[in-house]
Amino acid sequence: GENVEQHPSTLSVQEGDSAVIKCTYSDSASNYFPWYKQELGKRPQLIIDIRSNVGEKKDQRIAVTLNKTAKHFSLHITETQPEDSAVYFCAADAGGTSYGKLTFGQGTILTVHP
Amino acid sequence: DAGVTQSPTHLIKTRGQQVTLRCSPKSGHDTVSWYQQALGQGPQFIFQYYEEEERQRGNFPDRFSGHQFPNYSSELNVNALLLGDSALYLCASSLERGAGEQYFGPGTRLTVT
Repeated sequence: GENVEQHPSTLSVQEGDSAVIKCTYSDSASNYFPWYKQELGKRPQLIIDIRSNVGEKKDQRIAVTLNKTAKHFSLHITETQPEDSAVYFCAADAGGTSYGKLTFGQGTILTVHP
Repeated sequence: DAGVTQSPTHLIKTRGQQVTLRCSPKSGHDTVSWYQQALGQGPQFIFQYYEEEERQRGNFPDRFSGHQFPNYSSELNVNALLLGDSALYLCASSLERGAGEQYFGPGTRLTVT
């Protein structure tokens, strides 16, 4: 089955800096890659996603890039703010008969210091 | 437009007991997936329901079962509870014919003592 590795496990940045979180996946059939933000005690919130026919997607301060050949994708947050502090999870959906089954990475605890 | 809701919020059970958790999907969604999130870990897929049928299942024992009702709401049942079943149980809803986005509910925190 699909396996998703996420790095780093913790990331500390100063307000205004950029943050990058990287994920690799194992199943070359995976075609949908969402990113979730989970604040303490809250539900995972979908913040951005990308599909295998696209190499990059941006939404204001966040962007996601996908390298299908290398089977890795990354989340980029620019001009970080203290409210960006949370746990971020990447995930992959293998599609086909596994459509809708998200496999998650282990999470990255992002801390943005004012 | 109501989002995904789950009940109860918290639950404490004893080993060996049975528990039922409930989920109402986002308005207009027809597919419900259940995930288990242990402390400090990413969510793990339990199973998915569409058209009242279990469509696919993750690596969870048969003690975990579910149901989907005609109004698309869903239940997760866990029998013979173990200490290791203590976790946050998340429900996510989506559209079967949609683009694949899954939206999570607030979760049910289950503690097994």
